[in-house]
Amino acid sequence: AQSVTQLDSHVSVSEGTPVLLRCNYSSSYSPSLFWYVQHPNKGLQLLLKYTSAATLVKGINGFEAEFKKSETSFHLTKPSAHMSDAAEYFCVVSDPYAGNNRKLIWGLGTSLAVNP
Amino acid sequence: SAVISQKPSRDICQRGTSLTIQCQVDSQVTMMFWYRQQPGQSLTLIATANQGSEATYESGFVIDKFPISRPNLTFSTLTVSNMSPEDSSIYLCSVEEGGPGTAATNEKLFFGSGTQLSVL
Repeated sequence: AQSVTQLDSHVSVSEGTPVLLRCNYSSSYSPSLFWYVQHPNKGLQLLLKYTSAATLVKGINGFEAEFKKSETSFHLTKPSAHMSDAAEYFCVVSDPYAGNNRKLIWGLGTSLAVNP
Repeated sequence: SAVISQKPSRDICQRGTSLTIQCQVDSQVTMMFWYRQQPGQSLTLIATANQGSEATYESGFVIDKFPISRPNLTFSTLTVSNMSPEDSSIYLCSVEEGGPGTAATNEKLFFGSGTQLSVL
């Protein structure tokens, strides 16, 4: 069975410092992995996705994530945090071979706070 | 990219009543998804709605409690029936990238801004 674990429920950083949001997954197959962001009172938005191409994936707003199969991790990083990055971040895993009924498995989310 | 309008954005309802949430997409899409996001929890898929067929419900969700309509390729409704305080949650409509005739890739989802429901 697939699962995803976000290791931190809350992360707080100072503006201009690096961001690291951790995600580990469990999958029987080569999974597709995603990071979504949810800003207050706004819909979820796809940040980036990994689908068995390059292991380092670049997304929007300066975020990137690296797929590490040996560590079963897909951590999200950004070199320099901006105030507008404050939001809830979700790590998501999908089994690409599960057919039309495949589902996305969502992590519990990490709340990112950015301090001035 | 698909733009999704979801109504209402929030509501406060009395126990035992029902609320219908509407989801309008600005383009034709094959699959629409309804999610629930309970306080402090992650997203849970309620059902998948394809136009012209019955919705497919996930384990723990039943049609009598969450009836869904999908009258055309741009619109869907989710009704939360006979509400109790345990139904207080954010309900989200979502669509997959790609319209009719394209393969359902599950690669990218677009979300509405959600309906925040509070049941007293």
